[in-house]
Order: sequence, then C-alpha cells, then structure tokens
Amino acid sequence: EAGVAQSPRYKIIEKRQSVAFWCNPISGHATLYWYQQILGQGPKLLIQFQNNGVVDDSQLPKDRFSAERLKGVDSTLKIQPAKLEDSAVYLCASSAGGITDTQYFGPGTRLTVL
Amino acid sequence: RKEVEQDPGPFNVPEGATVAFNCTYSNSASQSFFWYRQDCRKEPKLLMSVYSSGNEDGRFTAQLNRASQYISLLIRDSKLSDSATYLCVVSRTGSARQLTFGSGTQLTVLP
Repeated sequence: EAGVAQSPRYKIIEKRQSVAFWCNPISGHATLYWYQQILGQGPKLLIQFQNNGVVDDSQLPKDRFSAERLKGVDSTLKIQPAKLEDSAVYLCASSAGGITDTQYFGPGTRLTVL
Repeated sequence: RKEVEQDPGPFNVPEGATVAFNCTYSNSASQSFFWYRQDCRKEPKLLMSVYSSGNEDGRFTAQLNRASQYISLLIRDSKLSDSATYLCVVSRTGSARQLTFGSGTQLTVLP
C-alpha cells in the first residue's frame, strides 16, 4: 500500500515570497491533516479536513496560510507571504477513520525562509 | 504551560540498558494517549497506544496514570536501532484525532 506522498521535499525561498505544498493521502483515507514542525518541537496541527470539509483550522494563521482539499483527495497548503518564522517541516498525515483512526504521516516538506 | 511536557534529553545509554521516558499532560479532558517515534529527518510513526491498565509490546512498556496526568515509556534491552526521538502524544477525543504532541525526548543508544 502506498503511503502519504508529499512534494516538494525541500524548498528554499526568501521572506515575503509565496510557496505551496502538495499532499496525496493514502487511498481511501477520508481525513487529512497538515502539521507544522519547527526544529526541536513536536508537530503542531494546522488544519484537519474530513473529505473536502474543514474540521479544525483553529491553529492556522489565516492571514498568511491557506489550505484546500477541493475533491476530497489531495490537498495543497499555501503560505503567502512567508516569514522567517515559517521555516519548518510541513507534515501531511491521513487516517481512515474507525475506532483507532491511526494517523500515517508523509515524509514532509522542509521549508527554509531566508 | 505546554499541554504536553517531556524531558528533552538527550538520553545517551549503552546497548542493553533500560531507559524510561516520562511525560505529563495538562488537559484533564484528554482521552487517548500514544507514543510516537521519529527518526532523524523522518516522519513520526506510531509506536504504541497507551492504556490505563498499562500495555507492553515486546521490549516496550507504556503506562498511564490519569490521576497524576502522567505517561511513561520504558524500553528494555536497548538496541542501536532504538536511537530516535520519542514523542508523547495526547488526544482530546477517544481516537487518534486531534493529536497534541510533546516536543520529544531524544534517545541515543551507544555501542
């Protein structure tokens, strides 16, 4: 079974530029998450989708971050404009639902903002 | 105060040693508890869920004390391959949704 796919794996941009990340969850997984992991910290949930609807985006900095999952499958996360403090690994995870609802993480996109 | 707190380490132990990690959580409404493992520059992976009765998976034993809001992970007979960061994770729901991660405890097992 293919895992969660993310691209690009690495991205370097200058502050005030825009950037977008893409995630393709495990086939059939209805729930998709985006996390931000700053160096030395644990992942922090940014947004959770159930199919193509947003379940929780309370920790998403909406003035600069946006995310969509238009067809309920793959998703994009955008930052516009980027700040130095956005340097982090952006992890996508998906889960199938059910009793245990284990989240499976993708390899992440490592963003460096200069 | 962070919702999930862990000793960041690092813990450097020799092969074969027993090592224990502790974690406390502040939200008494937390319902589900997990330990994740994250290798350097890799994604987190579920190591095990943690139950009130305590549970064991091979060399790994997890304990939960709801009254003290305390979670532990014990690794016996450490292997070189156990070197990683161990993340304590809680959920406000009865499943693996709405996860809140600790900052992790770094373990290095030395030959």
